[in-house]
Amino acid sequence: NAGVTQTPKFQVLKTGQSMTLQCAQDMNHNSMYWYRQDPGMGLRLIYYSASEGTTDKGEVPNGYNVSRLNKREFSLRLESAAPSQTSVYFCAEGSQLGELFFGEGSRLTVL
Amino acid sequence: AQTVTQSQPEMSVQEAETVTLSCTYDTSESDYYLFWYKQPPSRQMILVIRQEAYKQQNATENRFSVNFQKAAKSFSLKISDSQLGDAAMYFCAYRSHRSQGNLIFGKGTKLSVKP
Repeated sequence: NAGVTQTPKFQVLKTGQSMTLQCAQDMNHNSMYWYRQDPGMGLRLIYYSASEGTTDKGEVPNGYNVSRLNKREFSLRLESAAPSQTSVYFCAEGSQLGELFFGEGSRLTVL
Repeated sequence: AQTVTQSQPEMSVQEAETVTLSCTYDTSESDYYLFWYKQPPSRQMILVIRQEAYKQQNATENRFSVNFQKAAKSFSLKISDSQLGDAAMYFCAYRSHRSQGNLIFGKGTKLSVKP
């Protein structure tokens, strides 16, 4: 039981390149989330999906798109990466008891 | 909109001593959850403790306990008998009970443990 699995763990991109961060959960929860973490800023919500087939914007959605492929998978896409998107990205799933369980994070550097 | 404030960017504690991390929040809701997460250098986000707002009793998990003051909108974390492995970033977080909404985080407190 791996919980939340994110890939890749590390990625370096050039400005303008695109990439997709993959996330999968095995706990059969409905809600999934993408956060970014920047120094001194805590974690900020990019997008979330309350259930399969639905997605909603969070606090910092600009420059990102998401897909809730099925109940297990929730991907985050950067269509044209910018240096301001250099960050650590976390995927999470929400339990019925309120807490979120996080993946190990993906460190993205945009040059 | 809800906000979470952690006023202590950094704290330090001697091994085996007790330390308290502060957290305040702002909300107009009456039903919600509060959490403390730990993030060690491995960057994994680990749930330390959770509190449901309707419960008056303070949550406790082994050496970790909270002081939940609903009227004051305060949710502090006490770590007793501090260990070297407690050194990490600690984040306070709020989540509305009403919706499938997200966790709102404070900016974190970096805890150092001195041997």
